[in-house]
Amino acid sequence: NAGVTQTPKFRILKIGQSMTLQCTQDMNHNYMYWYRQDPGMGLKLIYYSVGAGITDKGEVPNGYNVSRSTTEDFPLRLELAAPSQTSVYFCASSYSGLAGDVEQFFGPGTRLTVL
Amino acid sequence: TQLLEQSPQFLSIQEGENLTVYCNSSSVFSSLQWYRQEPGEGPVLLVTVVTGGEVKKLKRLTFQFGDARKDSSLHITAAQPGDTGLYLCAGFRSNDYKLSFGAGTTVTVRA
Repeated sequence: NAGVTQTPKFRILKIGQSMTLQCTQDMNHNYMYWYRQDPGMGLKLIYYSVGAGITDKGEVPNGYNVSRSTTEDFPLRLELAAPSQTSVYFCASSYSGLAGDVEQFFGPGTRLTVL
Repeated sequence: TQLLEQSPQFLSIQEGENLTVYCNSSSVFSSLQWYRQEPGEGPVLLVTVVTGGEVKKLKRLTFQFGDARKDSSLHITAAQPGDTGLYLCAGFRSNDYKLSFGAGTTVTVRA
C-alpha cells in the first residue's frame, strides 16, 4: 500500500493564481483531513471529510475549498492565492473519526510558496 | 496562543544522552498523542495515552500522561541520531471533538 500520497511536492504561485493540491489514499479510510503547518504554530485543520460527498470546515477554512467525490481522493483548492497561504500542507486519513485513540496517517506534504 | 505548549522548542544533545520533552495545557484532554516528523515527511504516530497517570514505554521512549490529563512528557533514554526529528503532541477533547496540536520540539542528536 502506498498509504497517503500528495502531489505536487513543491509549488510556487503568484498572488491571485489558483491551484489544486491533490491527495489520494489507498487504505479505504472514510475520514480525510487537510492541515497546514506553519513554523512555531503546529498543525491547523483546514477541512475534513467523513465520507464521499460530505465535507466540513475545520479551524482555518478561509481561502480554501474541498470536494470528496470518491473515498480515495480529497483535493484542496486554493482560489486567489495570497502570501498568507504560504505553508506546508498535509493531507491525512483515518479509519474512523477523530476520537481518543484514532491514528491519523499523513501524506508527505506539499510545500507551497505564494509570491 | 497555542492550546498545547511544548518545551523546549529546540533541543540538541550528544548521542547517548537522555532528553525530556514537555507538553502542557490548561485544558483537560481525553487523550494525548505523540507524533514524530522527519524532514520532508508527514507526522507518524508514536503513541496514544488515554488514562491520567498512564506511562507507556516504546523501547527507549517513555511517555507519561499527567494525573489531571492536562500535560504529558516524552523521555528518550540514550538518544541516538535516528531519534532526530520534530516531536509533536496532540490532545483530543471529547466535549468538542477537537484535536489540537502543539507547535513541536525539534530534537537533534549529534553522533
